[in-house]
Amino acid sequence: NAGVMQNPRHLVRRRGQEARLRCSPMKGHSHVYWYRQLPEEGLKFMVYLQKENIIDESGMPKERFSAEFPKEGPSILRIQQVVRGDSAAYFCASSTSGNSYEQYFGPGTRLTVT
Amino acid sequence: AQTVTQSQPEMSVQEAETVTLSCTYDTSENNYYLFWYKQPPSRQMILVIRQEAYKQQNATENRFSVNFQKAAKSFSLKISDSQLGDTAMYFCAFMKHGLRGATNKLIFGTGTLLAVQP
Repeated sequence: NAGVMQNPRHLVRRRGQEARLRCSPMKGHSHVYWYRQLPEEGLKFMVYLQKENIIDESGMPKERFSAEFPKEGPSILRIQQVVRGDSAAYFCASSTSGNSYEQYFGPGTRLTVT
Repeated sequence: AQTVTQSQPEMSVQEAETVTLSCTYDTSENNYYLFWYKQPPSRQMILVIRQEAYKQQNATENRFSVNFQKAAKSFSLKISDSQLGDTAMYFCAFMKHGLRGATNKLIFGTGTLLAVQP
């Protein structure tokens, strides 16, 4: 059973470009969480999605960031007009249900903005 | 709002020795989960151990055990017989007990970098 997949593993973008990060949850999981880890810090919650629905985006920056989890395909975290402060590791985790305590993490995408 | 505090940025231990990592948290919730995650240089987040707040018995997973003090809001991790492969960043995390419609987000501390010396 494949684990949570994230791609790309490393992404380099110039300031002002767009970054798209993909997350494929574990088979049978329909709930996805995105977390961001800034350098030298712990992970911080960004957004929680179910298929076709954003349930909680309280951790998302108000501008430039968006997330989706379509009926078919991976969840996408999109960052428009990236700035140096967006450089971080972005992790997604998936679970079977919204009230499950078990979250399985992907390997993360390291975004570097030059 | 819940907070998680790890007051030890770095720790070092000799191989085969025992080390304890500290974690305190603040919450007004009564039902919740606490976790320790390991993040080796590969950056993969690996679940080490989990504790349900309603359980008085401390969780144990092989060489890893916790000391859960609910009244003191303390949740320390003890690693026995330390191995070189235990070298990693360790994060303590909190999650409210899942209720329908609530978000089961993890709230992480800032981490403790553990170095196991040969």
